[in-house]
Parts: sequence; structure tokens; C-alpha cells
Amino acid sequence: QVQLQESGPGLVKPSQTLSLTCSVSGASITSGNNLWSWIRQPAGKGLEWIGQIYADGTTKYNPSLKSRVTISVDTSTNHFSLNVSSLTAADTAVYYCAGGLFRYSEWWGHGTLVTVSS
Amino acid sequence: DFVMTQSPDSLAVSLGERATINCKSSQSILYSSNNRNYLAWYQQKPGQPPKLLFYWASTRQSGVPDRFSGSGSATDFTLTISSLQAEDAAVYYCQQYLAAPYTFGQGTMLEIK
Repeated sequence: QVQLQESGPGLVKPSQTLSLTCSVSGASITSGNNLWSWIRQPAGKGLEWIGQIYADGTTKYNPSLKSRVTISVDTSTNHFSLNVSSLTAADTAVYYCAGGLFRYSEWWGHGTLVTVSS
Repeated sequence: DFVMTQSPDSLAVSLGERATINCKSSQSILYSSNNRNYLAWYQQKPGQPPKLLFYWASTRQSGVPDRFSGSGSATDFTLTISSLQAEDAAVYYCQQYLAAPYTFGQGTMLEIK
């Protein structure tokens, strides 16, 4: 059974950089068929796809965030990470890490609430 | 970007009745090379992450009850619950994954009447 768990700060100041980590168990980050994603959801709103990383390190990002977002993998610890720079209040959301054997997400973390506020 | 539009935004259905949720893509998400529709459906209950219900528009994820079905092709898709159960109350999302960004519909809230 594949399990994902997000970790990171719950409160970040405007203009700072958010760093989140997703720990994966039950699957290998570097398995050729696995894809890993970050998705966010502002309170009471819908889902926004942030980006995805392939096992070979190839990334795809949402153009609306692309200049501020970096997704990376750490093979030594079997986790992947999200960095979002130049934060504003509009980045306040529940951030989910997710994964699967293709571009849709069959495995999800529980989500972590990130609030951007001074 | 592919714009995914769901209808209705919300609906209330009685227990045991049929519920139908529609999803329309601004462009075809049928990939001609493999004749597959790059569409997924998710269910999200309050305080929980989304749960994958269908991929390739109509392939049911393991463990999803067979009262749920997915259909459609190209730009028009439907999620149907044949006999609504109390535990089906949730928000449902469609997502296209043909071309990044893999956009979601705005969601449809399904309530029990």
C-alpha cells in the first residue's frame, strides 16, 4: 500500500519561499513508471494542479506558477519536494502531494494547510 | 490550457435515485494514437484528500463500487451514480491529463435530498 505524507511549515510570511516535503512509503520514487505531483486547494475552492515530476527528474509545471515553482526528488530518502517562491496571500491553501502510475493521481497525502500571513 | 467545465455546480438527489454529473472539455482529450480519453474523476469528502474513481474516462479504480460509472468521449463526459447511497455525498471533480497543466473542473457538490 502506497502512502504519502506532507510536511512543512504551516505559516509562512509574504515574499518568502515555501518548502514542502512529501515522504513516500510503499513505492520507489525512482521507479520508472511512477509520477509524483503537487496539487493545492484554497479553502472552500477547487483543485489546482501545480506540477509533476517523473522518475527521471523531468518536470512539468503549471504556467500560472512556473516561474515560482520547483519540484525535485531526493532518491536517498524516497521523498519529493515543492518550493514556491515570492509567496502572497493567494498561495494560502491546503497542499497535497500525490502520485500514480500515470498522470492521474491514485495515491494522495492527507494534505497540509499553508497560510501566508505576516 | 484545457478548460474543464462541470455541470451542475451542485445537485441534490434522493437516496436510491440516479445522479448524473457532466464534464465538458474546451478541446478534445481523445488521443487518436491510442484511442484513449485522458480524463479522470475524483470524489472528495470534507476534510479528506480526493479519491480517484475513474481514469481513461471509464476505467473504474479498484475498490470503487459498481454503482459508479464513467462515460463519454472527446469533449463530453459523464459520471453516473446509479443508486445513490448516503456515503456518496461529496464533491466530484473531473481532470484532464492529456496536456499540462492537467486541469480540473470546478467541482460538483452532490447532496442527499
